[in-house]
Amino acid sequence: DGGITQSPKYLFRKEGQNVTLSCEQNLNHDAMYWYRQDPGQGLRLIYYSQIVNDFQKGDIAEGYSVSREKKESFPLTVTSAQKNPTAFYLCATKPSGQGGDEQFFGPGTRLTVL
Amino acid sequence: GQNIDQPTEMTATEGAIVQINCTYQTSGFNGLFWYQQHAGEAPTFLSYNVLDGLEEKGRFSSFLSRSKGYSYLLLKELQMKDSASYLCAVRPTDSWGKLQFGAGTQVVVTP
Repeated sequence: DGGITQSPKYLFRKEGQNVTLSCEQNLNHDAMYWYRQDPGQGLRLIYYSQIVNDFQKGDIAEGYSVSREKKESFPLTVTSAQKNPTAFYLCATKPSGQGGDEQFFGPGTRLTVL
Repeated sequence: GQNIDQPTEMTATEGAIVQINCTYQTSGFNGLFWYQQHAGEAPTFLSYNVLDGLEEKGRFSSFLSRSKGYSYLLLKELQMKDSASYLCAVRPTDSWGKLQFGAGTQVVVTP
């Protein structure tokens, strides 16, 4: 099946620990994005990547890091420097950087830091 | 930057019509998207407007006026399954596909 996979759906971590959220796609899309969603708020962009081995900070990159070593994968690490990491994290992809195509979203990972 | 406003919540009866407004302020504009998001799930694409006018897709229609910085999503013949959050998102120019999202409008459909 073609699609975007984010696992696990629910993740629990202790405060002060780094955690890596996975995002894998087999849609052959060039662009990938990470968003964070908090209750009552819209999606906010954390990082994005237009091509392998290249990525850019979004609006709320502090306390997060990413890598893009393969076209299919764009993992997000939530570090201990992120002040309030508990949130719903969504990964999205798009065929190419510019242009009118919509973004496609993965099922999301709900991270709870205890 | 972008400022995107949409109502927090709307309630309507099954079979009725609901119109969700979205206003935006932007220094550059390259398209407006509407997404539907059920609780705890991923957003799914509904519509895309880049030129002024109305786009119709079955029970859902979306309208754009670039001069007014205004869009609406019209949901007709409401069904219980339409109860969800509806997200308005703007793509600025030279944004490499990045989207700026509004906070979402929670639509509650009652029997």
